Amino acid sequence: QKEVEQDPGPLSVPEGAIVSLNCTYSNSAFQYFMWYRQYSRKGPELLMYTYSSGNKEDGRFTAQVDKSSKYISLFIRDSQPSDSATYLCAMSAPPITSGTYKYIFGTGTRLKVLA
Amino acid sequence: DAGVTQSPTHLIKTRGQQVTLRCSPKSGHDTVSWYQQALGQGPQFIFQYYEEEERQRGNFPDRFSGHQFPNYSSELNVNALLLGDSALYLCASSRDRSNEQYFGPGTRLTVT
Repeated sequence: QKEVEQDPGPLSVPEGAIVSLNCTYSNSAFQYFMWYRQYSRKGPELLMYTYSSGNKEDGRFTAQVDKSSKYISLFIRDSQPSDSATYLCAMSAPPITSGTYKYIFGTGTRLKVLA
Repeated sequence: DAGVTQSPTHLIKTRGQQVTLRCSPKSGHDTVSWYQQALGQGPQFIFQYYEEEERQRGNFPDRFSGHQFPNYSSELNVNALLLGDSALYLCASSRDRSNEQYFGPGTRLTVT
């Protein structure tokens, strides 16, 4: 079983729709949860960063973390064709000795927003 | 403010050769992590450098090695290239003990 599971999609939605992207995980030590957006042949761009459980909102994006269910979500409101990209979830546990936050990524969900 | 930069953008090598990839971190960052992203997969952690030392390593063979310079820039070296090493190699920088990592555009390596 992978530590982080993410549906690869592709997910196609009409412009203006609310998009829900999800990841599940198995390691209860994860406390930091990130969402990255990656356009084709580009590096990942940090969208949202959350610590522990709860919600965080930034413009059209809302990140949710439910640690009891080991489930995280990213919601995109009023989706636009420019949101078409691959969305990667990433997680990390607090460093024990080395000071290193090692990110574990999901495989990414390909999103296509149709005009 | 320049973000994370990587060079070269693309690289084609033959099986068995050696390759060096370069990364300059975002201004104010002192920690560099390297990731390998195969097509259709999420990035996988190779190793992280801080204070010119490898601080943690993922599940990658010794053919993968790195270096960090006093100006915090970093190199990733891969020896005895295999076809399976073809991937996008990403560098991410952060401040020490900060969990926010910022990625560069990557170097696409093709091994033939």
